[in-house]
Amino acid sequence: AQSVAQPEDQVNVAEGNPLTVKCTYSVSGNPYLFWYVQYPNRGLQFLLKYITGDNLVKGSYGFEAEFNKSQTSFHLKKPSALVSDSALYFCAVKDDYKLSFGAGTTVTVRA
Amino acid sequence: NAGVTQTPKFQVLKTGQSMTLQCAQDMNHNSMYWYRQDPGMGLRLIYYSASEGTTDKGEVPNGYNVSRLNKREFSLRLESAAPSQTSVYFCASSGGIGQGPYEQYFGPGTRLTVT
Repeated sequence: AQSVAQPEDQVNVAEGNPLTVKCTYSVSGNPYLFWYVQYPNRGLQFLLKYITGDNLVKGSYGFEAEFNKSQTSFHLKKPSALVSDSALYFCAVKDDYKLSFGAGTTVTVRA
Repeated sequence: NAGVTQTPKFQVLKTGQSMTLQCAQDMNHNSMYWYRQDPGMGLRLIYYSASEGTTDKGEVPNGYNVSRLNKREFSLRLESAAPSQTSVYFCASSGGIGQGPYEQYFGPGTRLTVT
C-alpha cells in the first residue's frame, strides 16, 4: 500500500518568514502526491498535486511543493507566511482509487 | 454549483441509536468517499464507491454501512452507534475510473457525538 508520513505535529513560524511543512512518501511505482489544507471547522481544501513533470509544483494561496525522488519527500513551502495560513495541513498519496493521508501538521503563524 | 454537501452538520446520539449521514455532489464525479477524522490520526477511509453501483470497504468499515443511491448521492449509516464512533465525518468526491488521478473535493463535515 502507498503511504505518506508527516514527521512534525506542529510548525510555528513568524509572519513573513518562510514556511515549510514536511512530507515523506512510500510507494511502489510513480507517486501521485497531494497537499490539502483544513481551516477550523471546515472541510479539506485542495492546494496542489504532483503527478509528473517539474519537481517544483505551484498551487493555491502562494504555496508550492518540491518533489524529491531521491529523498522520497514532497515538502510544502511558502516563501513568506501569513497569519491567515494558520491551519492544519495534510499530505496525501493516491492509492488505487483512494487517497491515503498523513496525520496532519498544525501550522501556527504568529504576528 | 454547491460542490459536496453533507447533512446534518451536527448530531448527538445515544449509544445504540441509528442514523444516516447524507452526502450529495453536483460535479458529476464518479467516485465518492466517506472518511472519519480523529485528533492525531488524520483522515481514515471508511468506505468508498469508485463508481455508481459499487462500494468497497476502506480502512475502518466496522460499524458502518453505505449506499450509493445514484451518481450524486452516497450515504453512510450507523446501525447501532457506539461512543468510539464519536468523530467528524467527511464526504468527498473525485473524477474516478478512467479519468486519471484527481484531487478529491470535500464536504464541510458532520460532527457526531455518541453518548
